[in-house]
Amino acid sequence: KAGVTQTPRYLIKTRGQQVTLSCSPISGHRSVSWYQQTPGQGLQFLFEYFSETQRNKGNFPGRFSGRQFSNSRSEMNVSTLELGDSALYLCASSLKAPPGQGPYGYTFGSGTRLTVV
Amino acid sequence: GQNIDQPTEMTATEGAIVQINCTYQTSGFNGLFWYQQHAGEAPTFLSYNVLDGLEEKGRFSSFLSRSKGYSYLLLKELQMKDSASYLCAVRDRNRDDKIIFGKGTRLHILP
Repeated sequence: KAGVTQTPRYLIKTRGQQVTLSCSPISGHRSVSWYQQTPGQGLQFLFEYFSETQRNKGNFPGRFSGRQFSNSRSEMNVSTLELGDSALYLCASSLKAPPGQGPYGYTFGSGTRLTVV
Repeated sequence: GQNIDQPTEMTATEGAIVQINCTYQTSGFNGLFWYQQHAGEAPTFLSYNVLDGLEEKGRFSSFLSRSKGYSYLLLKELQMKDSASYLCAVRDRNRDDKIIFGKGTRLHILP
């Protein structure tokens, strides 16, 4: 079966612009979580969606937002980009919320690498 | 808050054994995960512990002590392909089971 698909893989944006990242989960997975990964901070939790509802949210400013559609695909949006938003954005899908182990755990996508210049 | 600490980098020799430690502080512990992440790739699930003790899975084992807020990942018979980052993550029931990751341990394997 197809894995978690994130598009685009790479993105370069200018400070002040906005960006939308997309995540298509594994078929049948209804939970999607987003993480920001930077060398200094590791993976930091952004938000989690289950059945189109935001179930959990991390400590990021309101410039970061997301949503989930009825087909479980998810998007995250970052407005008014700052240099510090440069990172790898990872999406993870799971059958259950919260994710468990083995087949009920996270499957990560390969990420979108965002560079803000 | 929630704190997860693990060493930033470790080096080991091919064929040897290495133990990667993780300590955590959380008010509502509800499970600990280990993930492996090769450079430029997505993290992949290695193990999950929710009860105290050792879980063995082939060359990899994971241990948990809830009273000490401590876990380790043990890798035996190291291979060059084990060069990767190893991420410790904790689920907190007091935060709607949010899964929080440590910063990861980069493991270098020398021939």
